[in-house]
Amino acid sequence: EAGVVQSPRYKIIEKKQPVAFWCNPISGHNTLYWYLQNLGQGPELLIRYENEEAVDDSQLPKDRFSAERLKGVDSTLKIQPAELGDSAVYLCASSLDSDYEQYFGPGTRLTVT
Amino acid sequence: AQTVTQSQPEMSVQEAETVTLSCTYDTSESNYYLFWYKQPPSRQMILVIRQEAYKQQNATENRFSVNFQKAAKSFSLKISDSQLGDTAMYFCAFMKHGGGGSNYKLTFGKGTLLTVNP
Repeated sequence: EAGVVQSPRYKIIEKKQPVAFWCNPISGHNTLYWYLQNLGQGPELLIRYENEEAVDDSQLPKDRFSAERLKGVDSTLKIQPAELGDSAVYLCASSLDSDYEQYFGPGTRLTVT
Repeated sequence: AQTVTQSQPEMSVQEAETVTLSCTYDTSESNYYLFWYKQPPSRQMILVIRQEAYKQQNATENRFSVNFQKAAKSFSLKISDSQLGDTAMYFCAFMKHGGGGSNYKLTFGKGTLLTVNP
């Protein structure tokens, strides 16, 4: 069974530029999560989807961050415009349902210069 | 809000020996899960072990076991017969069970970097 797939693995952009990250969850997993992991810290939830509905986006900085999960499968997380402080690893995770173990992808390391 | 504290930023152990990683948490909830995740240099976060708060029996997974002390809000991970491949950052995490909304997010500690030496 394939795991959670994320792309790209690495991204370097200049500040004020837009950037997008893509996630394909494990087949059959209804719940999808985006986490932000700063260097030396544990991940922090940005947004959680149940199917195509964002049921918890309270930690998502909505002035520059947006996310979508069309058709309840793949998801895209976008930052526009990027700031220096956005440099971090962005992790995607999925679970069968909200009350089950979360399985993580390899993450995208973003560097904003 | 829940908090998770890992008081050991770094630890090391000799191959084949046993090591224990500490974790404490603070919550007013009675129904929750606790997890240990492993994150090697490749960055892939891997679930090591899970404990349901309502279960008194400590969870075990091969060489990995936990000591869950609910009253003390302590959840330590013991790794027996340490292997070089166990070298990684280990995160303790909390998740409230039930109720919808923001309850299903994982709250992580800051992690413990474990190095297994040959």
